[in-house]
Amino acid sequence: ETGVTQTPRHLVMGMTNKKSLKCEQHLGHNAMYWYKQSAKKPLELMFVYSLEERVENNSVPSRFSPECPNSSHLFLHLHTLQPEDSALYLCASSQDIPRSYSVEPQHFGDGTRLSIL
Amino acid sequence: DAKTTQPPSMDCAEGRAANLPCNHSTISGNEYVYWYRQIHSQGPQYIIHGLKNNETNEMASLIITEDRKSSTLILPHATLRDTAVYYCIVIRGSGGATNKLIFGTGTLLAVQP
Repeated sequence: ETGVTQTPRHLVMGMTNKKSLKCEQHLGHNAMYWYKQSAKKPLELMFVYSLEERVENNSVPSRFSPECPNSSHLFLHLHTLQPEDSALYLCASSQDIPRSYSVEPQHFGDGTRLSIL
Repeated sequence: DAKTTQPPSMDCAEGRAANLPCNHSTISGNEYVYWYRQIHSQGPQYIIHGLKNNETNEMASLIITEDRKSSTLILPHATLRDTAVYYCIVIRGSGGATNKLIFGTGTLLAVQP
């Protein structure tokens, strides 16, 4: 139990569908992240939210739309995805300390395995 | 952030210590060394981190050389459940912005019975 829960664990969708991935953290953290892990490739950072504001968008296509309604919840809205978007999508959280050069650990969920037909 | 080099795979006998090396020869003074692992079908799990001094926690020990150009993660008594990909990551504190982990390909540690 990592304190970060992702749902659903598995998702199969067609290219024209719209679906959402959900992440919830119970650690009291103030920063949340979306990562993508494709087969045989390293994890790639997609989005970062700190204090509910998006602070990083790593050139992610607009068919992926994140939403962070509060510091405990993070969503990834999906629409008109492509087959190459099939991957493991991981959520993480950490405690962001303003004006500090310390680096706090990120805690990950177990991911949503997404398959695009 | 400094680049890291790790062997692609290692074997370890169950019950023995697993020593996983990491080279980070371009590390700068304010960069931390972090270790994560990813067990099959799970998300990455934080293990330990350090800046200059050696560190130990309930999972592992981290030994950082005096010049900080390399480090070793030690699992003192490896079990089959320690079979995973281990990632060594060097990351700079970003002065209040969120820290950005850059994962490489890591070391696949296979613990043998």
